[in-house]
Amino acid sequence: GAVVSQHPSRVICKSGTSVKIECRSLDFQATTMFWYRQFPKQSLMLMATSNEGSKATYEQGVEKDKFLINHASLTLSTLTVTSAHPEDSSFYICSASFVGNTDTQYFGPGTRLTVL
Amino acid sequence: GENVEQHPSTLSVQEGDSAVIKCTYSDSASNYFPWYKQELGKGPQLIIDIRSNVGEKKDQRIAVTLNKTAKHFSLHITETQPEDSAVYFCAASKGTGNQFYFGTGTSLTVIP
Repeated sequence: GAVVSQHPSRVICKSGTSVKIECRSLDFQATTMFWYRQFPKQSLMLMATSNEGSKATYEQGVEKDKFLINHASLTLSTLTVTSAHPEDSSFYICSASFVGNTDTQYFGPGTRLTVL
Repeated sequence: GENVEQHPSTLSVQEGDSAVIKCTYSDSASNYFPWYKQELGKGPQLIIDIRSNVGEKKDQRIAVTLNKTAKHFSLHITETQPEDSAVYFCAASKGTGNQFYFGTGTSLTVIP
């Protein structure tokens, strides 16, 4: 139980294009979904927190117009990287909190974004 | 805000030996402390967690201890196996939808 999926697992795009990453909770309803960014050999950096039907809360220094987050349902959140640049290349990971067990976050497998 | 420190950053042990990873936190309001295992190229996987009303929790070869007074918690892996090799992250949270503050990670290598 508590499985979170992400799609795609890898994406390569050209500079200036937009990329959408999907995060789904497969067997539970997620009260809250989180989006993280991770650079090689580093810890996870929280980008934003989103609750279903509400606007996402972004961490300081994260551009909300560049990283668009939509949490349309209790099982789906999307992150769109707009006008991507090479410095946006990173490993993006989502997590979800379980309705009824909101302490714990269950993580997706991550999406490797490479911007050329 | 919360500050979580994790040590050591790298750890090598012989197969069958025990491994211990320690974390400290700064915010006494934190009450939930999960541990995650991350294999290369994959997302973190929850392996054990503990809440502040408990001092110790065990799940087979994995145990976590919490000292609220000293604000530190530790992960203990006994009888290590090569498949335990991964990066382990601790985290602290105030619970219920609050953000996690992660440690910097420990790269564990179990030598066969």
